Amino acid sequence: GQQVQQSPASLVLQEGENAELQCNFSTSLNSMQWFYQRPGGSLVSLFYNPSGTKHSGRLTSTTVIKERRSSLHISSSQTTDSGTYLCALDSSNTNKVVFGTGTRLQVLP
Amino acid sequence: EAAVTQSPRNKVTVTGGNVTLSCRQTNSHNYMYWYRQDTGHGLRLIHYSYGAGNLQIGDVPDGYKATRTTQEDFFLLLELASPSQTSLYFCASSDVTGGGEQYFGPGTRLTVL
Repeated sequence: GQQVQQSPASLVLQEGENAELQCNFSTSLNSMQWFYQRPGGSLVSLFYNPSGTKHSGRLTSTTVIKERRSSLHISSSQTTDSGTYLCALDSSNTNKVVFGTGTRLQVLP
Repeated sequence: EAAVTQSPRNKVTVTGGNVTLSCRQTNSHNYMYWYRQDTGHGLRLIHYSYGAGNLQIGDVPDGYKATRTTQEDFFLLLELASPSQTSLYFCASSDVTGGGEQYFGPGTRLTVL
């Protein structure tokens, strides 16, 4: 089965609302990396987070290894946050990175 | 200055055509990766390498060859391109295998007619 489940698949927000994106994984991990994919396709690394909580501006990443989940919280969303968010599991079992299928976020003005 | 670059950024070829995608990294990383991204599948690993002359098979290798000529340069070769290889291709580098923190290039959009 799929090692990384990302949810929701899509999300529509009004500007100013908060968003919570989830990745659940079924294998042991070294770390979780979160990316933002621009509408044009390029990838921007947001967080590399082995465990615990990291902050960057309006973004917060939390990885809880025991619960096999990682989340990305976006506060006070802006229209420029629109795009696709990907999580990538750095697996200690396979020594490979496995990507989720992404959450497509649309923030409306 | 971008640490992982890819060329070309866009490529159109015909079925049966010969295509080479290039990737260069200036991170001094040992590991380099080629991924493809398709709707509904996320990014999938094609091939990777842990150093010049080394090649490891990824999860979706069929129809692709790769070659790592130097620590900096990693090439993906499609010798008989097929429409199923129409995709967005990404190159990445990392310091350790299993990914570590991955640094991505801007992507190459390939269309096979």
